[in-house]
Order: sequence, then C-alpha cells, then structure tokens
Amino acid sequence: EVQLVESGGGWVQPGGSLRLSCAASGFTLSDYWMDWVRQTPGKGLEWVANVNQDGSEESYVDSVKGRFTISRDNTKNSLYLQMDSLRAEDTAVYYCARDCCPGDLDHWGQGTLVTVSS
Amino acid sequence: DIQMTQSPSSLSASAGDRVTIICRASQSISTYLNWYQQKPGKAPKLLIYGGSNLQIGVPLRFSGSGFGTDFTLTINSLQREDFATYYCQQNYRTPLWTFGQGTKVDMK
Repeated sequence: EVQLVESGGGWVQPGGSLRLSCAASGFTLSDYWMDWVRQTPGKGLEWVANVNQDGSEESYVDSVKGRFTISRDNTKNSLYLQMDSLRAEDTAVYYCARDCCPGDLDHWGQGTLVTVSS
Repeated sequence: DIQMTQSPSSLSASAGDRVTIICRASQSISTYLNWYQQKPGKAPKLLIYGGSNLQIGVPLRFSGSGFGTDFTLTINSLQREDFATYYCQQNYRTPLWTFGQGTKVDMK
C-alpha cells in the first residue's frame, strides 16, 4: 500500500524557517516525480513545487521561488521542503503527493499544518 | 501561467441528482486535465486523469469530458458520499501545475 506521511509542520514567526519531510513507503520513490501542494485554511489548492526522479530538476510556483527548496533522498525514501523567509501568507496545510505521468497526483499524504504568525 | 476557472463555486443538490461542474483553461491544454475530490479534513483524491479517464476504484457515475479549454465533470445519480469539494488541475504546462478554485457540492 502506498503511504505518504508528512511531518515538520508547526508554528513559526515571520522570517523564520521550517523543514518539512515526507516519508514514502509502498512504492519505489526513485520511479516518480514528487510534489508539494498547499491549502490555505478554508481555501483552495495551490501547487508549490516538484522534483524529478533523481532530484536534478526542480520547479516552483513564483510566490515561493528563492525562499523554498525541494529535495529528495531516494535512499531514505524521503522528500523534503526547506522553507525560509516565511511569510504570513505561507500559512497552510502542506501535502506531499506522488506525481505520476507526470502531473497526475495519484497519492497524497495527510498533510502537515504550517502557521506563520507573530 | 495557465489559469483554471471553475463554475459554479458551489452548488446544492439532492441524492440522485445529476451534477455538472465546469472547468475552463486560459489557453488550450488538449486533454491534460485532472479532477480531484476532497472531503473535509482529508487529502484530495484523484478521480479523473487525461480529461476522461477514471482512476482505479472510482465509481462509474463519475465522468469527465472536454478538450482544449472547456471541460466538464459529471456525477450521475449523486450519492451521499459524493458531497465534497471538487478541483480541476491542468498538467499541460510541464511541470508547472495549476488548480481551479474548487466547487463545493453540498446537500440541498
């Protein structure tokens, strides 16, 4: 069974940093692109970033470019999102998702809440 | 960037109704269009990929259609468990995906 489990969320002051992790199991991580998608409380979904199978290609939504870094360690079956210079508008539930084909997000984690507030 | 616009933003329906949700892209995306279902407090679930292909395990009362800029998600004979929010997503412009703003289907 495919499982994705996020961790690392929490409360941080504006300008601070957090590192999210996503532990993958039930499939071979190195076969898939992986994505981070966020959802502001009570609002819709926003794609944040993705990375290709070996980590050599990364892409980001404009609003996080230069502040967030996606990475992966296939030997540890893990995906990461380093978030620096956090802003209030980054407050959201962050989901990791397996990206098939690519662009079909066919499995999602349960999400981890990031709150940026003073 | 490719913008995705859904309509309506919300709708009320009864069990047994046929429901149609529209998604429009700001430019042609062929059939690179997916639909997701999200229930409160849960992660989104992929329902339809490639415009019209049902993900494994999705009931046949769900169907998708469309090409280019205009797409439709139809739920035939709405069931209680279908009350949720539905999102479209384009995966034409690799690898920069965008979602629609969502359509909430609630009980009339």
